[in-house]
Amino acid sequence: DVKVTQSSRYLVKRTGEKVFLECVQDMDHENMFWYRQDPGLGLRLIYFSYDVKMKEKGDIPEGYSVSREKKERFSLILESASTNQTSMYLCASSEGHLDADTQYFGPGTRLTVL
Amino acid sequence: AQKITQTQPGMFVQEKEAVTLDCTYDTSDPSYGLFWYKQPSSGEMIFLIYQGSYDQQNATEGRYSLNFQKARKSANLVISASQLGDSAMYFCAMREARDAGNMLTFGGGTRLMVKP
Repeated sequence: DVKVTQSSRYLVKRTGEKVFLECVQDMDHENMFWYRQDPGLGLRLIYFSYDVKMKEKGDIPEGYSVSREKKERFSLILESASTNQTSMYLCASSEGHLDADTQYFGPGTRLTVL
Repeated sequence: AQKITQTQPGMFVQEKEAVTLDCTYDTSDPSYGLFWYKQPSSGEMIFLIYQGSYDQQNATEGRYSLNFQKARKSANLVISASQLGDSAMYFCAMREARDAGNMLTFGGGTRLMVKP
């Protein structure tokens, strides 16, 4: 079974703090993704990576950066957290070579910025 | 324009009955894939079913089937014999072949509530 883990289920930070969200997958997947989920808006893609040290902007990259130094780990960084970044953050990974390239998700991190 | 539209924010269904969750999509890419995910209250996204644009038959996975109508650009999820554990948010998503990294675009979701 694919396992995608995220470092925290719940996180509370203050405005202006630097925030790291970590994601690890154990299936040697090529692709990794960060989404945020807000009520009524579904999931919106922040960044994704299709290889180590490679990253691509998604639909809403502003205010975020990412790091992928190792294949299994994809980090989302909020350089200076703001209250409008309060959200549920979901990490996903996929193999990358299949037509039905299914994304497998982690449990999510609910971030509150005060 | 929205690429994925789920017009039902919430739906009720009686336990043991079938239910259809609507999804329409918009793409000019001839090669694409459609996915349905379930998100229970625990928050984790669970993959349910996949349909490729060139697949001739509707996808089925256990109690889940996908009613794929290509000309109408719809990919409705049908859940047969609903169970209480089916209460969750359901998301339709699309992957277009031209997008790098196999990224998915998600709809806004439908909250399904199964009544005992």
